[in-house]
Amino acid sequence: KNEVEQSPQNLTAQEGEFITINCSYSVGISALHWLQQHPGGGIVSLFMLSSGKKKHGRLIATINIQEKHSSLHITASHPRDSAVYICAVIAYGGSQGNLIFGKGTKLSVKP
Amino acid sequence: DGGITQSPKYLFRKEGQNVTLSCEQNLNHDAMYWYRQDPGQGLRLIYYSQIVNDFQKGDIAEGYSVSREKKESFPLTVTSAQKNPTAFYLCASSIMGGVGGAGRNEAFFGQGTRLTVV
Repeated sequence: KNEVEQSPQNLTAQEGEFITINCSYSVGISALHWLQQHPGGGIVSLFMLSSGKKKHGRLIATINIQEKHSSLHITASHPRDSAVYICAVIAYGGSQGNLIFGKGTKLSVKP
Repeated sequence: DGGITQSPKYLFRKEGQNVTLSCEQNLNHDAMYWYRQDPGQGLRLIYYSQIVNDFQKGDIAEGYSVSREKKESFPLTVTSAQKNPTAFYLCASSIMGGVGGAGRNEAFFGQGTRLTVV
């Protein structure tokens, strides 16, 4: 079982819809990152969270440390939001170093 | 400004040649990592290092080599033994605070290198 699980794996939405991507983890963490990767592009860090909630424009990220769960929300989605969104945690004593990635959620927003 | 620099962004090499990807950070992070991503797939760990002069194999270390002679630098060599080297490669670094995670906890990510072997 992966230590960081994301859902859904793939997501298709219509422009304007509210989108939620989930990340659950099974290890103790000190922080969690949400990353964005456009097709053929590099990796961009959207948020780093260790508690609570952060907002940047139409993006909102929340984390519940007790439940070991984080969500990334996109309000009023737009085709330019189409990308792969990746959850990464800084873990205590992770099985391979302390930085562990989820497999990513591929989002397609249709006009 | 502190950050992590991965270069080059795009790299083309002939089959059978070794190639070295650069990763440098000036964040004073102890841990550094290399990941590989194939089209439509997630990131897979190649190697990581948590201290200078020490590194550990990840899931797919075969055909790759690394060194960690300086805290700031963690270059990855894709050797001719790597059967399918064409991929996207990502370098990252991280620091975790002291007991209970107190202090600075952060990870930084390179832009990535797209390696194409022809």
